[in-house]
Amino acid sequence: EVQLSESGGALVQAGGSLRLSCSTSGFDFSGYALSWVRLPPGKGLEWVSTNLVGSTYHADSVRGRFTTPRDSSKNMLYLQMNGLRAEDTAVYYCVKGRDYYDSSGSLAGVAFDYWGQGTLVTVSS
Amino acid sequence: DIVLTQSPGALSLSPGERAALFCRASQTVPSTYLTWYQHKPGQAPRLLIYGASTRAAGVPDRFSGSGSGTDFSLTISRLQPEDFAVYYCHQFVTSPRNTFGQGTKLEIK
Repeated sequence: EVQLSESGGALVQAGGSLRLSCSTSGFDFSGYALSWVRLPPGKGLEWVSTNLVGSTYHADSVRGRFTTPRDSSKNMLYLQMNGLRAEDTAVYYCVKGRDYYDSSGSLAGVAFDYWGQGTLVTVSS
Repeated sequence: DIVLTQSPGALSLSPGERAALFCRASQTVPSTYLTWYQHKPGQAPRLLIYGASTRAAGVPDRFSGSGSGTDFSLTISRLQPEDFAVYYCHQFVTSPRNTFGQGTKLEIK
């Protein structure tokens, strides 16, 4: 069974730093992209970052402040957040990506197939 | 970035009724890269539909997705009490960069 479990959320002052962790199990850790998606209060889901096994990508709103390393020896994904701002306040979800293929081997879909329960980050100004 | 605009923003319906949710993209999204998610408060979001029309494992057949190009829809044929939630469309055209719609809140009338 695939499981993703986030930890590390906290109340932090603006300008501060925080590291979120995501513990994973139940799948080939090295074979899938892992991402962070956040849900700010009263708003919709927002993609934050993706670690695509060696390469990382970040949304414009966090690039230069956040990094997204992964540790294959521990099956862990992290989100290192520096220079936190009030607008970073959100529930942060760890998410597994998956490519779906049809019977002919053609790409049929790309999706976030498993999500963690989330961890709350509150940035006080 | 591709902007996804969902309508309506909120929808009030009764159990047993049919729900139609819409998602319009600012530019063409190949069907392969369009997904729908369900999110209930305090829970992890759940993948419903990928490839615009394929139900994910375990998703009841009352959920169906359709559309192409810039216009997509999610239909719930006979609402059950557990279906009241927020629904998001999502695109992966510029993977790994991706964007979500702002969500449609489906409420019990």
